Amino acid sequence: GAVVSQHPSWVICKSGTSVKIECRSLDFQATTMFWYRQFPKQSLMLMATSNEGSKATYEQGVEKDKFLINHASLTLSTLTVTSAHPEDSSFYICSARRLAGELNEQFFGPGTRLTVL
Amino acid sequence: GQNIDQPTEMTATEGAIVQINCTYQTSGFNGLFWYQQHAGEAPTFLSYNVLDGLEEKGRFSSFLSRSKGYSYLLLKELQMKDSASYLCAVMDSNYQLIWGAGTKLIIKP
Repeated sequence: GAVVSQHPSWVICKSGTSVKIECRSLDFQATTMFWYRQFPKQSLMLMATSNEGSKATYEQGVEKDKFLINHASLTLSTLTVTSAHPEDSSFYICSARRLAGELNEQFFGPGTRLTVL
Repeated sequence: GQNIDQPTEMTATEGAIVQINCTYQTSGFNGLFWYQQHAGEAPTFLSYNVLDGLEEKGRFSSFLSRSKGYSYLLLKELQMKDSASYLCAVMDSNYQLIWGAGTKLIIKP
């Protein structure tokens, strides 16, 4: 149990376009989902924390108008990269915390590789 | 500030033992995690320590000393498939994961 999926697994887009990445908890309800970004040879950086039905909390330095997060249900959160630029090319990973689960548990999705040309 | 330190890269021989160290300074502590990450993939969970001592799980063991802000991951009977990055992460007082940059482990035959 506790499987998290992401779609798409990879995407290539042109500069200036928007890209939506989905994160789904397949067999559990996720009250909280986390969005991370990882550049090559660097650690995971938390971008934002989203709770179902409320606005996401963004980390310092992350533009909320550029990285739109929607957590409309207990099994789905979406990250939309608006007006993507080459510097947004990165590996985006989501994780989910179970409803009524342990606070120290996070289940990770497989990641989405974004390449902006 | 919050800080996680681990070596950038280590090399070991197939069949041998390797220890990957991690030191941390965080605002609060709710456990330390070790993850394995193969290139191009998301991290996969290896171990979790919240109390001092050694946790053993098959070929992998993880040790924690909270007073020293120190942990290590011990990998025994190394296999070629163990070549990956190993990430140390600490959960702080807000239950957020603070990540180290990872240690790239290279296994040689």
